[in-house]
Amino acid sequence: GAGVSQSPSNKVTEKGKDVELRCDPISGHTALYWYRQSLGQGLEFLIYFQGNSAPDKSGLPSDRFSAERTGGSVSTLTIQRTQQEDSAVYLCASSLEWTGASYGYTFGSGTRLTVV
Amino acid sequence: GIQVEQSPPDLILQEGANSTLRCNFSDSVNNLQWFHQNPWGQLINLFYIPSGTKQNGRLSATTVATERYSLLYISSSQTTDSGVYFCAVEIQAGTALIFGKGTTLSVSS
Repeated sequence: GAGVSQSPSNKVTEKGKDVELRCDPISGHTALYWYRQSLGQGLEFLIYFQGNSAPDKSGLPSDRFSAERTGGSVSTLTIQRTQQEDSAVYLCASSLEWTGASYGYTFGSGTRLTVV
Repeated sequence: GIQVEQSPPDLILQEGANSTLRCNFSDSVNNLQWFHQNPWGQLINLFYIPSGTKQNGRLSATTVATERYSLLYISSSQTTDSGVYFCAVEIQAGTALIFGKGTTLSVSS
């Protein structure tokens, strides 16, 4: 597609429920990233997928968080047993594999998650 | 881990003023990028600048990698420049960007 698409744009869930957030990257982008932004804060890295390599999961805050990327395209971030501290905007970005010239991340508009 | 510090944290300008935003990082980096997050939350990539100077219209950026800092210059600021400016660094090729906490810019007419 023309940009990075995330869905839903807003999600309100009850504490303890599971949620799934979806990211559809730009066609042809091999790298996909998930970040979390809490109110008034910077971006916290969660997980990074690059081509067929094993994902870098070093930023996932707990084992309640997991992510998949199917067929090298769409990614789903799953949060199990949501807690109030999980409330944040979840941002997805994609980029071309670095070619030695220049590249940049393209971010989606994010999913605003509210746990009540 | 690497520390990415941005200053000032907040900046208020009158339309037409110039400003300089700074990003310090605590270790050598492979890549540095500047982003603008508009008031609606959308993040836009401004510069990919691991070293040297680049210009794009009223914006320019300089990175001095040996001294571990980067500067973002905004000239003749406009109200549409308002938002949060983030600096982000890549420690090694093939790793994800690490973001600073941002500088919040408010430009009034």
